[in-house]
Amino acid sequence: EADIYQTPRYLVIGTGKKITLECSQTMGHDKMYWYQQDPGMELHLIHYSYGVNSTEKGDLSSESTVSRIRTEHFPLTLESARPSHTSQYLCASSKRRGTGSYEQYFGPGTRLTVT
Amino acid sequence: AQRVTQPEKLLSVFKGAPVELKCNYSYSGSPELFWYVQYSRQRLQLLLRHISRESIKGFTADLNKGETSFHLKKPFAQEEDSAMYYCALSGNAGNMLTFGGGTRLMVKP
Repeated sequence: EADIYQTPRYLVIGTGKKITLECSQTMGHDKMYWYQQDPGMELHLIHYSYGVNSTEKGDLSSESTVSRIRTEHFPLTLESARPSHTSQYLCASSKRRGTGSYEQYFGPGTRLTVT
Repeated sequence: AQRVTQPEKLLSVFKGAPVELKCNYSYSGSPELFWYVQYSRQRLQLLLRHISRESIKGFTADLNKGETSFHLKKPFAQEEDSAMYYCALSGNAGNMLTFGGGTRLMVKP
């Protein structure tokens, strides 16, 4: 079934550890995104990709990095986690509709806690 | 720069009452506006888009370019409408979304 998958769903990790948040989609979409969301707060775009080997930084500055080696896979990496990285991370992908507009589909999110 | 503002963090109404979630935006071009909803323990999902002029689950939203608003309305709220609602704007880039801060709707029995 076409979907967006994120793993892990929950992660508690100590300061200084390297972590990778996984995002995969089987929807055949070219464009993918990472958002950061604090509880009850707005979503902030931190990374996006238009396709393989394309990555850009979003509106919110982030110490994380991303890669896009395969169309369906868009992992996010933190080289050295800090408590300020504690947040929810949402992955999304989009397709262009017949009207020319785009619709974004979201994964279930990864809730990261850095102690 | 594009910006989306949702002035109410929390909106609490009784079942059967009308509900209006406010959304204002700033954008110099012709934006496309969306409402996304996140029910408890579920992922964020698209509720409706202004370009479709559709009614989904009884909700409607009209784009008012003069007032730069895209308020979400429902004449009779139901308990299952309780959720977090986000207004979002897409500008000329077409696929980049700017989200508002969200409004939590609580519908009391």
